[in-house]
Amino acid sequence: GAGVSQSPRYKVAKRGQDVALRCDPISGHVSLFWYQQALGQGPEFLTYFQNEAQLDKSGLPSDRFFAERPEGSVSTLKIQRTQQEDSAVYLCASSSQGRGTEAFFGQGTRLTVV
Amino acid sequence: QKEVEQNSGPLSVPEGAIASLNCTYSDRVSQSFFWYRQYSGKSPELIMSIYSNGDKEDGRFTAQLNKASQYVSLLIRDSQPSDSATYLCAVVDQTGANNLFFGTGTRLTVIP
Repeated sequence: GAGVSQSPRYKVAKRGQDVALRCDPISGHVSLFWYQQALGQGPEFLTYFQNEAQLDKSGLPSDRFFAERPEGSVSTLKIQRTQQEDSAVYLCASSSQGRGTEAFFGQGTRLTVV
Repeated sequence: QKEVEQNSGPLSVPEGAIASLNCTYSDRVSQSFFWYRQYSGKSPELIMSIYSNGDKEDGRFTAQLNKASQYVSLLIRDSQPSDSATYLCAVVDQTGANNLFFGTGTRLTVIP
């Protein structure tokens, strides 16, 4: 596709509900990043994929967070048993190569846990 | 996680002035640096990349990199009200898995 596409754009979840957020990167981009951005803060790194390999998941805040990219293209970030503190914008970015090339963001998914 | 530090601002400059945004980073071996602009409610948009020491100019924007001081800056000349946004500094961690880490951003307001 022309750009990084994320869905849904907005998600309201009841506390305790599981959610799945989708990211469709730019075609051919090998690197994919997930970030969490709270209001007024910079994006906080969650996890990073190079093709289908999850090279770093050190930013995932708890074992309720899980990400996958099984075929090296579309990625899904899953949050189990959502809590209010999970409310944030979840941003996905992709870049063409792993080593320091420019990354481009999707529009994000705004998650609100009530 | 690697540290990328920015003054959160807000930074206010009059229209037509030069806005200067600064960023320091902790990873000595980083080689790739980026500036993103983020309008309120929108996602970050890449505006500059810089990989070598010195200055890189693109229109009204100039990025400056000093690896010895672990410092990168962004200058915006002839600031316009449309430049009002949060500017995010990003650094690639090249000691590990080439992750991209962000500062907290500096909010810039250009006053007409």
